[in-house]
Amino acid sequence: EIVLTQSPATLSLSPGERATLSCRASQSVSSYLAWYQKKPGQAPRLLIYDASDRATGIPARFSGSGSGTDFTLTISSLEPEDFAVYYCQQRSNWPKTFGQGTKLEIK
Amino acid sequence: EVHLVESGGGLVKPGGSLTLSCAASGFTFSTYSMNWVRQAPGKGLEWVSSISSSSSYIYYADSAKGRFTISRDNAKNSLYLRMNSLRAEDTAVYYCTSSGSYGRGYFDYWGQGTLVTVSS
Repeated sequence: EIVLTQSPATLSLSPGERATLSCRASQSVSSYLAWYQKKPGQAPRLLIYDASDRATGIPARFSGSGSGTDFTLTISSLEPEDFAVYYCQQRSNWPKTFGQGTKLEIK
Repeated sequence: EVHLVESGGGLVKPGGSLTLSCAASGFTFSTYSMNWVRQAPGKGLEWVSSISSSSSYIYYADSAKGRFTISRDNAKNSLYLRMNSLRAEDTAVYYCTSSGSYGRGYFDYWGQGTLVTVSS
């Protein structure tokens, strides 16, 4: 099973600041990595797939990078609605696995 | 617009059974793989099971293998999860998700979830 480790566990930033979230895989997943946003009481939302492609309707301030085992989600300038929990997920191998999440909170 | 609406959650005793349903609309259901993903209270997301568009391929997480059965009815645009021998650790919000808009294996659309509580 591929283990995804996200860091940091919690990130405290202010609106307008840049957020950088990390996801590291226990073995190579090539570029088969996605990022999701989860807010309390809401369904998760797919943000990024194949490491760097934005899903339909996702604002350009969200970007993804990386390949192999190291990946990054960057939010260039935080909006109030961006404070949430973010999960990475790999589709390279079964079982599909998620990271444990990074909570992005308002400082 | 894509809609996935789960139903069938509720309170069940340990060892009991429950069947979750998911009604899909707004896309060509029969061409998409479908999945169940869950989130236990205060925990992260966990993939549970997947089924291919024609039901030819079915996969389960180890935690679900032997106890859960995923199925679909393309004529009814519906996805199901039969859960037997339920345990306290199965308590979670269960989400119905689709895969296919962005490649197999990503969860592109999600329902709002249905809560399953396993407790005596």
